[in-house]
Amino acid sequence: SQQGEEDPQALSIQEGENATMNCSYKTSINNLQWYRQNSGRGLVHLILIRSNEREKHSGRLRVTLDTSKKSSSLLITASRAADTASYFCATDEGTGGFKTIFGAGTRLFVKA
Amino acid sequence: EAEVAQSPRYKITEKSQAVAFWCDPISGHATLYWYRQILGQGPELLVQFQDESVVDDSQLPKDRFSAERLKGVDSTLKIQPAELGDSAMYLCASSSPGGEQFFGPGTRLTVL
Repeated sequence: SQQGEEDPQALSIQEGENATMNCSYKTSINNLQWYRQNSGRGLVHLILIRSNEREKHSGRLRVTLDTSKKSSSLLITASRAADTASYFCATDEGTGGFKTIFGAGTRLFVKA
Repeated sequence: EAEVAQSPRYKITEKSQAVAFWCDPISGHATLYWYRQILGQGPELLVQFQDESVVDDSQLPKDRFSAERLKGVDSTLKIQPAELGDSAMYLCASSSPGGEQFFGPGTRLTVL
């Protein structure tokens, strides 16, 4: 079973708008990562946020983590058509090692 | 820039045949992962190596799937015999322990 659950499953916005995706998970984690996947391609790492961090920024990306609610959000500001992709959160469980579990993803479509 | 290499990129086979996929991780990455991704879903971890040792293969269908990383560098994932339900994208990734994962382009398997 998958640990992370992204919400919404799909999102369609206009270029220039902000896009927010949410991820919920079930067990304690060491860190949470967000990845992007363009259609039919491999995944690209976006941001890693550790369990003792609350917010992290990278360019137009902002990730928050609320361990009390077991949830994270990814905000993409001033979206571009090139941001069209699937976005996945992945959690690392620390039971003797690092096991990464991905959610089902949010499909983002940015209209030019 | 260093990349994870995978081959072949595409594989079409008939059910009951054997198939093998190869992965060459980024130099120096001790951790190697094999994932299976069904269309519309997130990647599912099949097996995780730390150097040449398997640290997690709980989701690997061991009756037909096998994976090895003999010298702790490149890795091979084998399916024998292939079944129709094995059609998917097989992704390889590598990382430093606990760090971000770098993904290869994947092998798209179609079983007829």
